[in-house]
Amino acid sequence: DAKTTQPTSMDCAEGRAANLPCNHSTISGNEYVYWYRQIHSQGPQYIIHGLKNNETNEMASLIITEDRKSSTLILPHATLRDTAVYYCIVRPHLGTGNQFYFGTGTSLTVIP
Amino acid sequence: GAVVSQHPSWVICKSGTSVKIECRSLDFQATTMFWYRQFPKQSLMLMATSNEGSKATYEQGVEKDKFLINHASLTLSTLTVTSAHPEDSSFYICSARDYRTGPNTGELFFGEGSRLTVL
Repeated sequence: DAKTTQPTSMDCAEGRAANLPCNHSTISGNEYVYWYRQIHSQGPQYIIHGLKNNETNEMASLIITEDRKSSTLILPHATLRDTAVYYCIVRPHLGTGNQFYFGTGTSLTVIP
Repeated sequence: GAVVSQHPSWVICKSGTSVKIECRSLDFQATTMFWYRQFPKQSLMLMATSNEGSKATYEQGVEKDKFLINHASLTLSTLTVTSAHPEDSSFYICSARDYRTGPNTGELFFGEGSRLTVL
């Protein structure tokens, strides 16, 4: 079962930063925070993941609060192609059998 | 990233027939693959975990005799929807982790999905 809560939808102006929040108040010490996104009628795409330190890659930045009960995905300069549903998932990092359970996600619309 | 391919991308079938969907890891080996189902405007729902060389593990409420999963090799898993009915119409998505690097990276790679329409 999904252990995260996200806003249902958000809008962001093109070129501005998109900040997508996620609450995971019951996260365990060995669980990582993963972010995926799904563009309409496609399979989910991996964005980023982290444990407790902030992470950054070519797609986005992940800010995790010190108590690890929430996190924020930041798309620094949103484009129209970033319009998608963004999913925040928590799960243990290691172990080949650990499943990903998706919550409802946040539908991000980037507005021209 | 690693590539996971599904076939067919879309399929239309008559009620009562069976449909097979293939999921292949193209450039890596996957000891474990996962099958999801997604209805319109809903999130992905995990159906089962497919383990190479052994029986799949199904999530609660998913009929194992209805959704047959076979994972005969490290690069191929198949999902067969048996005696399909209109309510089985959905978007089916598979995912896999590279068993060499996956334990260290943790990420899953997803296929493009297969859209099934049962008339």
